[in-house]
Amino acid sequence: DGGITQSPKYLFRKEGQNVTLSCEQNLNHDAMYWYRQDPGQGLRLIYYSQIVNDFQKGDIAEGYSVSREKKESFPLTVTSAQKNPTAFYLCASSIVLLAGVQETQYFGPGTRLLVL
Amino acid sequence: DQQVKQNSPSLSVQEGRISILNCDYTNSMFDYFLWYKKYPAEGPTFLISISSIKDKNEDGRFTVFLNKSAKHLSLHIVPSQPGDSAVYFCAASGNQFYFGTGTSLTVIP
Repeated sequence: DGGITQSPKYLFRKEGQNVTLSCEQNLNHDAMYWYRQDPGQGLRLIYYSQIVNDFQKGDIAEGYSVSREKKESFPLTVTSAQKNPTAFYLCASSIVLLAGVQETQYFGPGTRLLVL
Repeated sequence: DQQVKQNSPSLSVQEGRISILNCDYTNSMFDYFLWYKKYPAEGPTFLISISSIKDKNEDGRFTVFLNKSAKHLSLHIVPSQPGDSAVYFCAASGNQFYFGTGTSLTVIP
């Protein structure tokens, strides 16, 4: 089955610790995204990548880092510099059409990060 | 600066009636507009989209209307069912995707 997988479903972080959230897609999509959702709020863009080995900061990139070494994978690291990491993290992917147009974005099931 | 806005945080509708969810945007250069449905602790599920060159797209019980002059789109669900109760996000695509803050729909049996 084609889709987007995120792991783990729940993740606990200790103070001062870096943690990495996994996102894999087998849809052959060019672009991948990371969003954060806080209770009662919408989706805020952390980072996105339209091609391998290239990525751009979103609206709330501080305290996060990403890599895009393979088309299928876009891991997100929540660093110790992120002071309020508790949230629901969503990964998404989309096809990039001509002239950079993106038609539809598909989401993974999400990872809930909690701070101990 | 919020480029996509959903001004109604919640909406309640009787089962069988029409649900109308609204969304406004500011950037006239968006190429596509999308609606997603989201349950708690799950990823959003794509529902329906519309190209900026169209003014209506229909898929079963779901219809999206686009009014480019007003920079407004709406999602109509008819008839509404209790299983439609969820948070609905509208989104617009340009060089990236821009999401509204969501509207929580409750369909009352």
